[in-house]
Amino acid sequence: KNEVEQSPQNLTAQEGEFITINCSYSVGISALHWLQQHPGGGIVSLFMLSSGKKKHGRLIATINIQEKHSSLHITASHPRDSAVYICARRALNSGGSNYKLTFGKGTLLTVNP
Amino acid sequence: ETGVTQSPTHLIKTRGQQVTLRCSSQSGHNTVSWYQQALGQGPQFIFQYYREEENGRGNFPPRFSGLQFPNYSSELNVNALELDDSALYLCASSLVSPGENSYGYTFGSGTRLTVV
Repeated sequence: KNEVEQSPQNLTAQEGEFITINCSYSVGISALHWLQQHPGGGIVSLFMLSSGKKKHGRLIATINIQEKHSSLHITASHPRDSAVYICARRALNSGGSNYKLTFGKGTLLTVNP
Repeated sequence: ETGVTQSPTHLIKTRGQQVTLRCSSQSGHNTVSWYQQALGQGPQFIFQYYREEENGRGNFPPRFSGLQFPNYSSELNVNALELDDSALYLCASSLVSPGENSYGYTFGSGTRLTVV
């Protein structure tokens, strides 16, 4: 079982729909990241959060530390939102300066016009 | 503010050869991590360099090695290439403070390596 699980694996939506992508993790974290990856590979960091909720434009990320669960929401989705969305956890600091990220497999979002 | 630059963008190598991938970290960042992303999978952690020393390593064999330079740029070297090494290699830089707080990551666009 992957330490970071995302659902759904694939998501197709119509323009304007509200999108939710879920992420669950199995061990404690110091931070959870939401990232966007377009075809061709480049990754853009969307959010880094360790509690509560963050908002940037039409994107909202929430996290529930007790339930080890995070969600990424996209309001009023648009075809340009089509991409792979990946969540990644950063482990609690073990005492060394190890900030490796453990990634989920990603959610492929396709927004049709 | 410059981002993270990786070179080359694409590379084709023959099984058994050696390859060096390069990464220029974002200005002001002192930590570089390397990840391997196979097709359809999430990135997997290879290793991390902090102040020119490796300070974390994932489940990759010793033929994967690296360097970090005084300007915080980095190289990933892979010896004795295997077909399964074909993947997108991503570099990410971050700033780690003396109190070991990290302030997020900036990713490069990756190097697509194909081993034939």
